Amino acid sequence: DVKVTQSSRYLVKRTGEKVFLECVQDMDHENMFWYRQDPGLGLRLIYFSYDVKMKEKGDIPEGYSVSREKKERFSLILESASTNQTSMYLCASTSLWEYEGDTQYFGPGTRLTVL
Amino acid sequence: AQKITQTQPGMFVQEKEAVTLDCTYDTSDQSYGLFWYKQPSSGEMIFLIYQGSYDEQNATEGRYSLNFQKARKSANLVISASQLGDSAMYFCAMREVPGTYKYIFGTGTRLKVLA
Repeated sequence: DVKVTQSSRYLVKRTGEKVFLECVQDMDHENMFWYRQDPGLGLRLIYFSYDVKMKEKGDIPEGYSVSREKKERFSLILESASTNQTSMYLCASTSLWEYEGDTQYFGPGTRLTVL
Repeated sequence: AQKITQTQPGMFVQEKEAVTLDCTYDTSDQSYGLFWYKQPSSGEMIFLIYQGSYDEQNATEGRYSLNFQKARKSANLVISASQLGDSAMYFCAMREVPGTYKYIFGTGTRLKVLA
């Protein structure tokens, strides 16, 4: 069965801390995504990776960075957390993207609170 | 620019009745895919149904069907015989191909099924 896992369901951090959110998929998918979800705004893409060590900025990359050292693992890093980064973070993966019907598989989400 | 619009922030439906969740999209591409996802309170996004832009038949998956009207650029989700477990957020999403990894999401509709 397809599985995407995220390191934490709930996380509370202080302003200025460095925060790591980890995502692991077991489907051998090439593509992995990090989204941020806020009420009334839907899902917004932060970063995307289509291969190991490859990344592209999404719609809202400011204040975030990512790392993909292994195919199955995609990390989101908040270099210096701020209160406006309090949100739900969703990781997703998908295989080839040439086919328009290729759905994304999502992790359970990490609800991050920055105090 | 590509866009997904969900105009119903919240809806109520009586158990066992059918409900339609609206989704309109905007794209200039000929080839694209449309998706619906369900997000229960637990947070995980669950893929429900997919419709390709070239599919002539409306997609169906169990109690879910997608009312695809290409000329009107609408892709409404119909849930038949609503159940209490259908209470969740529902997101409409679009993916354009070829050559893009991006999935565009709407802002979601929160559905509450009443006993």
